[in-house]
Amino acid sequence: KNEVEQSPQNLTAQEGEFITINCSYSVGISALHWLQQHPGGGIVSLFMLSSGKKKHGRLIATINIQEKHSSLHITASHPRDSAVYICAVRTGSQGNLIFGKGTKLSVKP
Amino acid sequence: AAGVIQSPRHLIKEKRETATLKCYPIPRHDTVYWYQQGPGQDPQFLISFYEKMQSDKGSIPDRFSAQQFSDYHSELNMSSLELGDSALYFCASREAPGELFFGEGSRLTVL
Repeated sequence: KNEVEQSPQNLTAQEGEFITINCSYSVGISALHWLQQHPGGGIVSLFMLSSGKKKHGRLIATINIQEKHSSLHITASHPRDSAVYICAVRTGSQGNLIFGKGTKLSVKP
Repeated sequence: AAGVIQSPRHLIKEKRETATLKCYPIPRHDTVYWYQQGPGQDPQFLISFYEKMQSDKGSIPDRFSAQQFSDYHSELNMSSLELGDSALYFCASREAPGELFFGEGSRLTVL
């Protein structure tokens, strides 16, 4: 079993829809990252969370430490949001990241 | 604002050759991480450095070595390249315990 599980693996939405991507992990963490990767492109860090909730524009990330679960929400989705969204957790203060398999999001106009 | 700079962005090598990838972290960042992402795969941690000392080691092959220099830039040296080394190599940096920033990646193709 992977230490970081994401769902769904693939997601197709219509422009304007509210999107939720889920991440569950089985290890103790010091932080959780939500990352965005465009096809063939680099990785952009969207959020780093250790508790609670963060919001940036149309993106909202929440984490429940007790339940070892995090969600990434996209409100009013747009075709430019199409990308792979990766949940990654850090174990320890200097620990490396353990990556989920990613969720491939496609937003249709 | 300055970002994490990786060079080269693209590199093509033959089997058994050697390649060197460079990573220039954001100024004042003291920690550098290297990741390897094969085609269709999730990134895998290779190695990290904190204050110029190796801090953690992941699935880095013995044919690979890395170091962080006095100016905090890091180099990943890969020898006896194999076809399976073809991947996107990411560098990330942070000023511990802050946010992690990723470079654009260096795409290595081994022919």
